Order: sequence, then structure tokens, then C-alpha cells
Amino acid sequence: GAVVSQHPSRVICKSGTSVKIECRSLDFQATTMFWYRQFPKQSLMLMATSNEGSKATYEQGVEKDKFLINHASLTLSTLTVTSAHPEDSSFYICSAPDGQSYGYTFGSGTRLTVV
Amino acid sequence: GQNIDQPTEMTATEGAIVQINCTYQTSGFNGLFWYQQHAGEAPTFLSYNVLDGLEEKGRFSSFLSRSKGYSYLLLKELQMKDSASYLCAVRVSGTYKYIFGTGTRLKVLA
Repeated sequence: GAVVSQHPSRVICKSGTSVKIECRSLDFQATTMFWYRQFPKQSLMLMATSNEGSKATYEQGVEKDKFLINHASLTLSTLTVTSAHPEDSSFYICSAPDGQSYGYTFGSGTRLTVV
Repeated sequence: GQNIDQPTEMTATEGAIVQINCTYQTSGFNGLFWYQQHAGEAPTFLSYNVLDGLEEKGRFSSFLSRSKGYSYLLLKELQMKDSASYLCAVRVSGTYKYIFGTGTRLKVLA
């Protein structure tokens, strides 16, 4: 089946630094990628939608200058958390419609800890 | 606004049947999805309803009533490995976006 490879799976960074998270569709072309954030024991909150070749669309309340999204190719979308702070510590996960099933394919998630 | 509600936690016994309810109020509807998520892992797709009625897939069934804004996921012959969070999600019409519910943490006891 369709696979979205997400890296890194875990990252610890110092406050004030930037972290890049990559999501690659391995056997399909992902023209759209959704980026979610999930706090412990809570559900997934949509942060933004990236579309290949165009600017990302951010949900209300999400700072686009802090969470930079790039979708430069049909198989790669990246999320960069800039000037990270401890409150940005969360589980970040991407997903894409794969065209093969009704459901979307999710990446394996990235656990970000900012110290 | 968008609102999707599920019970926060449920507990059931191995071998039993459990029903997880989901009610929704969204601006537009293009399908209701159920996902399973184990702690620290990505959600995995379980089922999809776009028309009213029951969809059955092995031990899992999902029901939808669009007029009532209501769905449920039915899990039969519960196994310990079914202990997980179950997420209800509505796809908004005209987009590919999902709005996720609060999630239900199911604990299966021996």
C-alpha cells in the first residue's frame, strides 16, 4: 500500500533553534500534504495544508512565519519549526491522500522536544 | 463552526463488543472516517461512511446517520491489541481536509 515516510521520528533541540521535518511519499505522488500537531492525550489539530508548487494554507491561529512549509516536489513536503520554544514540543504528523483508498496515508510522526 | 464529539475514555472486557459514538456539526460533509491510533504512532485507517447505513469490515463496523449528525464504530470480539485511541474524522466538502474529533481512548481488560 501507499507509504509516507516521515523523518526524524524523534528530535530534541535547544530553545531558539530550528527543526526541519520531512515527509516523503514513497510510491505515489502527493500533490497535497496535511500537517497536524497532537498534544498528549489530545486529538490531531490541522495546522496547514501544503500543495505542490504553491503556498501553504494555514489554519486559523497557526503562525505561518514560525511553521514554514515547503512542498517543492510531488513527493516531498517539509515543515520547519523556527525559533522553537518549549511550548512547541509536540507530536507532528503529516498525511496525504494517496488515491488508492478512501482514507489518507499518515507518516509515522515526529516527536519534538524543545529544551 | 466545526464540532466533533466523542467520549474521552471507554473500558471493555476482552471478547466483548464495544460501541464508540461520534456526533458532529460541521460546515459541509463529504464522508466520515474512523482511525485507530496506538500511543506514539500514526493513525491507521479503519472505515469510511459517506451514505447512511452500516459498513462492515471483519470485526469492525461503522454506522452513519447524516440527518442526525451521528456515527458509531462497533468493535466485536475485543482483543487486548484493540486498546488504542479511536479517532472520528469528518472530511469537509469541497476540500480534502479532515476535522478530527477529540478521540476515544479504549482500554481492553483481560
